[in-house]
Amino acid sequence: AQSVTQLDSQVPVFEEAPVELRCNYSSSVSVYLFWYVQYPNQGLQLLLKYLSGSTLVKGINGFEAEFNKSQTSFHLRKPSVHISDTAEYFCAGGMDSSYKLIFGSGTRLLVRP
Amino acid sequence: KAGVTQTPRYLIKTRGQQVTLSCSPISGHRSVSWYQQTPGQGLQFLFEYFSETQRNKGNFPGRFSGRQFSNSRSEMNVSTLELGDSALYLCASSLAGTSRNSPLHFGNGTRLTVT
Repeated sequence: AQSVTQLDSQVPVFEEAPVELRCNYSSSVSVYLFWYVQYPNQGLQLLLKYLSGSTLVKGINGFEAEFNKSQTSFHLRKPSVHISDTAEYFCAGGMDSSYKLIFGSGTRLLVRP
Repeated sequence: KAGVTQTPRYLIKTRGQQVTLSCSPISGHRSVSWYQQTPGQGLQFLFEYFSETQRNKGNFPGRFSGRQFSNSRSEMNVSTLELGDSALYLCASSLAGTSRNSPLHFGNGTRLTVT
């Protein structure tokens, strides 16, 4: 079955520290992968996407993710977080012709001063 | 370019009633998808429309239905509302349906509360 697993429900971190949000996927959703961010009372905003090619993907707001096929992972990283990065982050994957995304359960990033 | 617009933003309904939610996609986008977001189940796919045709449907009861108009605008209807239907309903549009070259762009959602 298709699945995307986010291993941490909440990640607290101090401002300016690095952060990694973990995501694992089942091979059936590995055709393409995304990270989305959701701020309170808003919809989801696309952070970055992996389609093929280079395994290191750079996105908006200084985020990047590394696709690792052998470990079926697509972890999100940022070298130095800001208070404004406090939000919920969703990993999602899909397959061509399915016309739908499978989302992970989300990770709440809490950045403390 | 205007983003995905969902109306209304908030709705309060009573059990047994029905509700219609509206979504206007980004100009030029022909695919509209709907997702339900709840604290317990997370984000779940409802259905996807392209050129007025439903191409995929999630695992929801028949009380949940949708349609797409010729201008790509979409509506979602839930009949005989249950308490468990309380959720944030997100609409997303894309050029041709979510794929490697066509990521989803989400609206801010409609928060439905059923009492």
